[in-house]
Amino acid sequence: QSALTQPRSVSGSPGQSVTISCTGTNSDVGGYNYVSWYQHHPGKAPELMIYDVSKRPSGVPDRFSGSKSGNTASLTISGLQAEDEAHYYCCSSAGRYSWVFGGGTKLTVL
Amino acid sequence: QVTLRESGPALVKPTQTLTLTCTFSGFSLGTNGMCVSWIRQPPGKALEWLALIDWDDDKYYSTSLKTRLTISKDTSKNQVVLRMTNMDPVDTATYYCARTTYNFLSGRPYNWFGPWGQGTLVTVSS
Repeated sequence: QSALTQPRSVSGSPGQSVTISCTGTNSDVGGYNYVSWYQHHPGKAPELMIYDVSKRPSGVPDRFSGSKSGNTASLTISGLQAEDEAHYYCCSSAGRYSWVFGGGTKLTVL
Repeated sequence: QVTLRESGPALVKPTQTLTLTCTFSGFSLGTNGMCVSWIRQPPGKALEWLALIDWDDDKYYSTSLKTRLTISKDTSKNQVVLRMTNMDPVDTATYYCARTTYNFLSGRPYNWFGPWGQGTLVTVSS
């Protein structure tokens, strides 16, 4: 299956909100409520930020939220902080033991 | 605290077999519901899920790479090994391992990965 489509980059100023989109197909994003999002700072391990479209693991600030409409999922980060600058990747189930990821979005905090 | 760390060669030649090891702590693959996946990311490209092994030694592979991959575990050593045959320059990537857990209510793994290791860069070049 093809990778999910994410914008290459987004940016925002501290305190603002940004939204990162993740577009797939009926066979992945649109077919399952199993979208997850990962934050990746260079040189560090990727970190789970959102799972099952909109759920936050414990310890993830509520500034991070997820949603989905049709074949497109979104990650919104409100109250941007400098430490939010990172790459963000979406992932969707594409079957019982099959997952597809997005190409990643670089978030720049201006 | 759960941690994972990938290890293996930084450079392999085309046609060679790559062997990567994921060494983890904070959980056991002998415990019901525990799973470990391998995921890779070629430079500038999307992440790609490769394989998963569960506590019961069941193994699942990416359809596109199934013929080249073998995943195995050594529960006593807290390690998962991934072998990929017939390496090609297009296999140049950072390879990650990550924990997954199984949802017994749904009869399938939870559809998220975490924690992850930091990854290991493998370059395929002659």
